[in-house]
Amino acid sequence: DAGVTQSPTHLIKTRGQQVTLRCSPISGHKSVSWYQQVLGQGPQFIFQYYEKEERGRGNFPDRFSARQFPNYSSELNVNALLLGDSALYLCASSRPTGANYGYTFGSGTRLTVV
Amino acid sequence: GQQVMQIPQYQHVQEGEDFTTYCNSSTTLSNIQWYKQRPGGHPVFLIQLVKSGEVKKQKRLTFQFGEAKKNSSLHITATQTTDVGTYFCAGRGFGNEKLTFGTGTRLTIIP
Repeated sequence: DAGVTQSPTHLIKTRGQQVTLRCSPISGHKSVSWYQQVLGQGPQFIFQYYEKEERGRGNFPDRFSARQFPNYSSELNVNALLLGDSALYLCASSRPTGANYGYTFGSGTRLTVV
Repeated sequence: GQQVMQIPQYQHVQEGEDFTTYCNSSTTLSNIQWYKQRPGGHPVFLIQLVKSGEVKKQKRLTFQFGEAKKNSSLHITATQTTDVGTYFCAGRGFGNEKLTFGTGTRLTIIP
């Protein structure tokens, strides 16, 4: 079985631009979570989706948005990029949310804003 | 909001020495998970603890969940070079889907 796949792997954007990151969860996993990891820090929670519904949102500005599709894949959108948005963006999938399951992370998208 | 802190931030040990990282949550947790992130990699799930006072072992790794379910620890016996990486705890509150990651402990091994 394929793991969690994220695309693209690397991305360079200019301040003010918009970016869309994509994630395909493990087959059978219905929950997808997005995390931002700045170099040297722990992953910070952005969003969680389950069955296409938002189940949680972290302390990120409205410039960040996400959605989940019927096939459980997900997109994270960031508008009006700032230099501080430069980070590794991680997608994690898990079995039905609310249960005691560990997360499987993708390899991430490294976003650099210049 | 919920905060999860880990100490120490960095730990350098000689190969063969033991290593321990401690995790403390500002709120009581329903469960706690541990992840390992190799340099340049992504977090990899190690284990989950659910019960108060629970202790679990994976070969040289021992994980504990505190009686009050607000703290946890990871102990590695006789470290090896393959143990290099950053170890994160991640806690989940009650009625809360969000998994909050700790600040991490970066382990380096001196051969």
